Amino acid sequence: AQKITQTQPGMFVQEKEAVTLDCTYDTSDPSYGLFWYKQPSSGEMIFLIYQGSYDQQNATEGRYSLNFQKARKSANLVISASQLGDSAMYFCAMREGEGGSEKLVFGKGTKLTVNP
Amino acid sequence: NAGVTQTPKFRILKIGQSMTLQCTQDMNHNYMYWYRQDPGMGLKLIYYSVGAGITDKGEVPNGYNVSRSTTEDFPLRLELAAPSQTSVYFCASSRPRGNQPQHFGDGTRLSIL
Repeated sequence: AQKITQTQPGMFVQEKEAVTLDCTYDTSDPSYGLFWYKQPSSGEMIFLIYQGSYDQQNATEGRYSLNFQKARKSANLVISASQLGDSAMYFCAMREGEGGSEKLVFGKGTKLTVNP
Repeated sequence: NAGVTQTPKFRILKIGQSMTLQCTQDMNHNYMYWYRQDPGMGLKLIYYSVGAGITDKGEVPNGYNVSRSTTEDFPLRLELAAPSQTSVYFCASSRPRGNQPQHFGDGTRLSIL
């Protein structure tokens, strides 16, 4: 079974609107972390936001927020007020366990296109 | 700040050739990683290291080798290159705390022909 599932291969949004990118995960470890990365067409990986399994509140970083629903094992990324520069691939990733190697397992990604 | 630096950025190899992908970081991070990204896919972990002299296999280690003689450097060696190793390779580093993100290099685009 896939540990990270991103069911939306592609998403479209109008500039200035909000968009939600879905991510579900599978783990039996009570301690884990969820990361979102952005990959523009230039190819680099840019860290956006982090949510820990024990965090009581949903993470926020500027226009990015994470809708964390622990019981449903989902960690959806919400981008508010979309900008043309938000067009990119978005990857959800999970770290299992505490301490150790901090290895990440990535989903297959969602390609977001922001239309003017 | 240089962060994580990978060289080369692009390379074409012939089947059966060998090469080393270089990775160095200047953030004094203990943990370093090598990933590969195939077209339309997420990243898959090849090897990782939690400190100098310590390395371990990830999800897809076959056909690769690594070494970690210093904190800064984590080279990835391809022996007997095969077309299946055509991919984009990313090196990353992080601090040993769960909420710390991995910092990625810009990647090496490798083609095996």
